[in-house]
Amino acid sequence: AQSVAQPEDQVNVAEGNPLTVKCTYSVSGNPYLFWYVQYPNRGLQFLLKYITGDNLVKGSYGFEAEFNKSQTSFHLKKPSALVSDSALYFCARNAGNMLTFGGGTRLMVKP
Amino acid sequence: DSGVTQTPKHLITATGQRVTLRCSPRSGDLSVYWYQQSLDQGLQFLIQYYNGEERAKGNILERFSAQQFPDLHSELNLSSLELGDSALYFCASSVVADPPTDTQYFGPGTRLTVL
Repeated sequence: AQSVAQPEDQVNVAEGNPLTVKCTYSVSGNPYLFWYVQYPNRGLQFLLKYITGDNLVKGSYGFEAEFNKSQTSFHLKKPSALVSDSALYFCARNAGNMLTFGGGTRLMVKP
Repeated sequence: DSGVTQTPKHLITATGQRVTLRCSPRSGDLSVYWYQQSLDQGLQFLIQYYNGEERAKGNILERFSAQQFPDLHSELNLSSLELGDSALYFCASSVVADPPTDTQYFGPGTRLTVL
């Protein structure tokens, strides 16, 4: 089955430091990969996606993600974290008509 | 704001009851998707409709059903509710039906509590 995995339940980072939220995907099929963010009591907000082409994808709110085919990874990054970035982040894969989500990673940015 | 609207925001009901969740997609989007988010199952795809027709089914229980109307809004019907159906139900929409590169935009969700 085509799936994604988020190996970390929680990531803690200090404000101003770079952040990375990890995602790996299974090899089978085309890796159409997405990142969404969920703030408390809110829906999922689309951040960015990788379809093809440049391995570094830029998205909303200063986030970017690096697609690495050899490591089957699609890690979300931001050069300088903000307290307001604290939220639940989901990596997802679209294998057809549906999104398959990872388990989510809670990002905590401390002042 | 994604442009996808869902009503109601909260729903509290009893076991055995039936509820209807409503979703209006973004203007111009023909596809509607329903997802369930629960603590034990995470985010799971339930069902997709495209321009009024069912297009894909995921882990949707037989007690659940959905439809998409001519004005493209969609309803998710949950019947014979059980405690385990308590969850956050999301609707998402996208422009096209099949291309997996299409971005799905999510509504704010309906939180269902079954007592």
